[in-house]
Amino acid sequence: EAQVTQNPRYLITVTGKKLTVTCSQNMNHEYMSWYRQDPGLGLRQIYYSMNVEVTDKGDVPEGYKVSRKEKRNFPLILESPSPNQTSLYFCASSSQGRQPQHFGDGTRLSIL
Amino acid sequence: SQQGEEDPQALSIQEGENATMNCSYKTSINNLQWYRQNSGRGLVHLILIRSNEREKHSGRLRVTLDTSKKSSSLLITASRAADTASYFCATVPNSGGYQKVTFGTGTKLQVIP
Repeated sequence: EAQVTQNPRYLITVTGKKLTVTCSQNMNHEYMSWYRQDPGLGLRQIYYSMNVEVTDKGDVPEGYKVSRKEKRNFPLILESPSPNQTSLYFCASSSQGRQPQHFGDGTRLSIL
Repeated sequence: SQQGEEDPQALSIQEGENATMNCSYKTSINNLQWYRQNSGRGLVHLILIRSNEREKHSGRLRVTLDTSKKSSSLLITASRAADTASYFCATVPNSGGYQKVTFGTGTKLQVIP
């Protein structure tokens, strides 16, 4: 089954404690992306990747890092999380940047 | 900044009625996509319309695109309770930065049985 898998689904943590949200897709997609969703703001793109070792900033990259060492994986790293990064995060992938995206089920992060 | 803006923000209709949602955007696009999100879940792609297309159908969905007005609409005909969800438009720019997809703020649709 074609899917995008995010882990963890829920996480409560404290300010400053580094965390990584993993994302994996099994569709051999070249394009992967991270979004955050906040009430009233819709989805905002954090980072995207066109292919292995090719990443670029979206609209709200501050405070986040990503890497794309393998085609299937695109982890999101919060080096020093702060409360304003409390949000619902989605990973998505598509065959190319212009094509419709497949979304994961989301990761709800709470940073105290 | 948000490029896509949906209108209305919320919509409540009776089962069987039609639901229309609108999306406005600001820059030249390659295509516009509509997605659906059930509460707290991931988005699911519904339909893609290219900049050289004016109308597209998929089942009970009809999407129109007016590039001169930089707007699109999604019509759901004969709505069902199961259509209750949030609906988002997403724009893919026509410029070199086509990888940067921009989502709107969404329309929350409630279909009352």
